[in-house]
Amino acid sequence: EAGVAQSPRYKIIEKRQSVAFWCNPISGHATLYWYQQILGQGPKLLIQFQNNGVVDDSQLPKDRFSAERLKGVDSTLKIQPAKLEDSAVYLCASSLTVYEQYFGPGTRLTVT
Amino acid sequence: AQTVTQSQPEMSVQEAETVTLSCTYDTSESDYYLFWYKQPPSRQMILVIRQEAYKQQNATENRFSVNFQKAAKSFSLKISDSQLGDAAMYFCAGSGGSNYKLTFGKGTLLTVNP
Repeated sequence: EAGVAQSPRYKIIEKRQSVAFWCNPISGHATLYWYQQILGQGPKLLIQFQNNGVVDDSQLPKDRFSAERLKGVDSTLKIQPAKLEDSAVYLCASSLTVYEQYFGPGTRLTVT
Repeated sequence: AQTVTQSQPEMSVQEAETVTLSCTYDTSESDYYLFWYKQPPSRQMILVIRQEAYKQQNATENRFSVNFQKAAKSFSLKISDSQLGDAAMYFCAGSGGSNYKLTFGKGTLLTVNP
C-alpha cells in the first residue's frame, strides 16, 4: 500500500513570499491532517479535514495560512506571506480510524 | 483539551539493554488514546505503540511495551533489547474529544550506544 505522499521535500523562500505544499493521502483515508513541526518541538495540528470539510482549524493562522482539500482526496497548504517564524517541517497525515494516523515524509520550509 | 509532557529531552542506552521513556498527560476526556511515535532522522513519523484508555492491560508490541497508570496520568514506554535502529526522537501523544486530534509532547531523543 502506498503511503502518504508530500511535495516538495524541501523549500527555501524569502520572507513575504508565498509557498504551497501538496499532500496525497493513503487511498480511502477520509481524514487528512496538516501539522507544523518547529525544530525541537512536537508536531502541532494546523488543520484537520474529514473528506473535503474542515473539522478543526483552531490553530491555523488564518491571516496567512490557507488549506483546501479538493474532492476529498489531495490537499494543499499555502502560506502567504511567509514570515521567518514559519520555518518548520510541515507534515501531512491521513487516517481511516480515530486511533491511527499515517504520516508523510514532510516538507522542510526555510524562510530567510 | 489535552496536554502531554515529556520531561526527558535526551536519553541514552547501551545496545541490548532496556530503557524507559517517561510521559505524563492531562485530559478532561473519558475516552481517549495514547500513543508513542518514533521519528528517525529521515523525519517519517512511525507509530510504535497505542493504548486505549479504557483498557487496563498494558499494550505490548514485540520489544516495546507501555506502563499505563491511568490514575497517575502516566504513560511510559519501555524498549527492551535496544537496537541501533531504535535511535530516534520519540514522541508521546494523546487523542480524544470530538475529533480525536493528536496532541504531542516535545519529544525525547534516544541514542543507542554500540
